[in-house]
Formats: sequence, structure tokens, C-alpha cells
Amino acid sequence: QKEVEQNSGPLSVPEGAIASLNCTYSDRVSQSFFWYRQYSGKSPELIMSIYSNGDKEDGRFTAQLNKASQYVSLLIRDSQPSDSATYLCAVKRSSASKIIFGSGTRLSIRP
Amino acid sequence: GAGVSQSPSNKVTEKGKDVELRCDPISGHTALYWYRQSLGQGLEFLIYFQGNSAPDKSGLPSDRFSAERTGGSVSTLTIQRTQQEDSAVYLCASSLAFEGSGRWGTGELFFGEGSRLTVL
Repeated sequence: QKEVEQNSGPLSVPEGAIASLNCTYSDRVSQSFFWYRQYSGKSPELIMSIYSNGDKEDGRFTAQLNKASQYVSLLIRDSQPSDSATYLCAVKRSSASKIIFGSGTRLSIRP
Repeated sequence: GAGVSQSPSNKVTEKGKDVELRCDPISGHTALYWYRQSLGQGLEFLIYFQGNSAPDKSGLPSDRFSAERTGGSVSTLTIQRTQQEDSAVYLCASSLAFEGSGRWGTGELFFGEGSRLTVL
């Protein structure tokens, strides 16, 4: 079992709709969760971080965490063509531990 | 510099040669990571340095790979006797970290532009 699992996609969403990206993790004691966006040929950049159960909103982005289900998701409202990228879920077990990435979900926003 | 700096940006080498990849993290960042990304794939963890602690080398794929971090700053990833399957983009990232008092690091990683390695 992979430590961090994501559906590779591609996920195709019409412009203006909500894109929903999902991630599961295997280490129950993980404490910190992140979503990174990576454009083709570029390095990843942080979009959201979440540490507590529930929802965290930042503009058009909402991260959702359910530690009991070991599940974290990212919702993108009012999807724009510029949101087309690969979204990487990342998990950190504790302050002194490494950050593990999933394999990423490729998102395509169609006009 | 303002960001994470990696060199070289591109490296083409022959199978069996050794290569060194360099990473200069953001000043003051105590955590430094190396990841490998093959075409169309996710980020494969290689090694993690945190302050003066022993590095987490659990992701290094073989003993041909090694890394060091001198003076808590610049890091070098060395690949000996390169193989074609070593071809990938090697990404370095750094972050601030907070220890103790129940606080944990934000984990926000700042990535360099990567070093693209091609082994012929």
C-alpha cells in the first residue's frame, strides 16, 4: 500500500464548475496535510495546508480533512482554465519527519 | 538569493559516470529535502535533512546515491556509476521548521527549479 494515494486522472471539469480532488493516506498518526499545484515543466507550489479535522477555505480553494477516514480533499470552486495542472497531495507525520507526496492528479479545465 | 537555487539545471552524462547535483536553500531554512520526479510521475522522496539531526536517508534507491549538507546550508546529491533509470528531474526543497513546545513545522516547501539528469 502506498503511503499517499491519489487518482492519477486526468480529471476533466467544465469551466466554472467545482473540481474535487481526493487523497488517502496510510499512516494514521499523520499530523500535517498539504496540497501542491504543479504546472507542466514547473516545480510544485503550495496551495493549501490543513492540520485539523474539518474544512479550511482560502479564496476559491477549500481543503477538507477527515483523520478518522484518513482522507483529505481539495475543492476548487469556479474552476478556471488556469487551474489546469497536476495537484499533489502531501503528508507529514510529525514535526521531525519527512514529507511524502502522492503521485498527483492531473486536472483539466475545459472552456 | 531569494529562492532555492539548484545547479546544474541540465546534466547529460554517460552511463557509469558519477554526477553531483547542488542545492542552495533559502537562508535560514533548517529543513532540506531531495526528491526525484520521473516523467509524468509524482515526487519520490530521497533524503531529508533537519537541522543537526541525522538525515532521513530512507528514500535513497541504492548505495550509489548519497547526499551531504555542509554547515547546515548547501547540499550535494551524488549519484555514482549512473544508470539510465536514474534519468529524472531532481528537485530540492527547503522549509522552516519549529521544534518543541508542542509546535510543529508548517511544512511549506519551497522548491528549486530542479536539475534534469539524462543518462545516455
